[in-house]
Amino acid sequence: NAGVMQNPRHLVRRRGQEARLRCSPMKGHSHVYWYRQLPEEGLKFMVYLQKENIIDESGMPKERFSAEFPKEGPSILRIQQVVRGDSAAYFCASSPLLPGTANTGELFFGEGSRLTVL
Amino acid sequence: AQKITQTQPGMFVQEKEAVTLDCTYDTSDPSYGLFWYKQPSSGEMIFLIYQGSYDQQNATEGRYSLNFQKARKSANLVISASQLGDSAMYFCAMREGRAQKLVFGQGTRLTINP
Repeated sequence: NAGVMQNPRHLVRRRGQEARLRCSPMKGHSHVYWYRQLPEEGLKFMVYLQKENIIDESGMPKERFSAEFPKEGPSILRIQQVVRGDSAAYFCASSPLLPGTANTGELFFGEGSRLTVL
Repeated sequence: AQKITQTQPGMFVQEKEAVTLDCTYDTSDPSYGLFWYKQPSSGEMIFLIYQGSYDQQNATEGRYSLNFQKARKSANLVISASQLGDSAMYFCAMREGRAQKLVFGQGTRLTINP
């Protein structure tokens, strides 16, 4: 499967624990995006990364949340000291290039990681 | 201000009928892109159709077409000959200028009745 791979698909944590969500972009894609979806709501942008660089983190909460996309390996979204309000589906998406005449800027999404905080 | 507005929380349509899902957007950038995604109950996000702000014609992809009215800033999705498998959440999204991220609307839950 050459699509965007996210794991784990489901994660249960108790309040105060840490959650780590992983995302491997599609082959050949160097841009990764993280979105959060609360039940019955749309996707909210969190952060946009390229290899070893955070390009846009305007949607990231100021505390407890961090993201990285190292030179080797998957992108990681890390949530420290989780609270019940962090329960959501977290989607990763990737894209190959900057938008241009040959590229619509479509994002290719993974199947999401569903975090439940008890 | 909301960048993307979907005013229909839910829609119910009889199988084989056509359905229009509304989407309005707000931007001052002359260059932008509009997208529709489908999210079935299984949760994945499926890309349906794209319209660029400079495209002269409305986009079409099989049974999906995008009714792009630039002056009204609307980008409604039209699904012809609806099928039971079309039941899902539908999200409209916009990319502005050279920005990479997509901004999503709240979504419309479409239910197709047999």
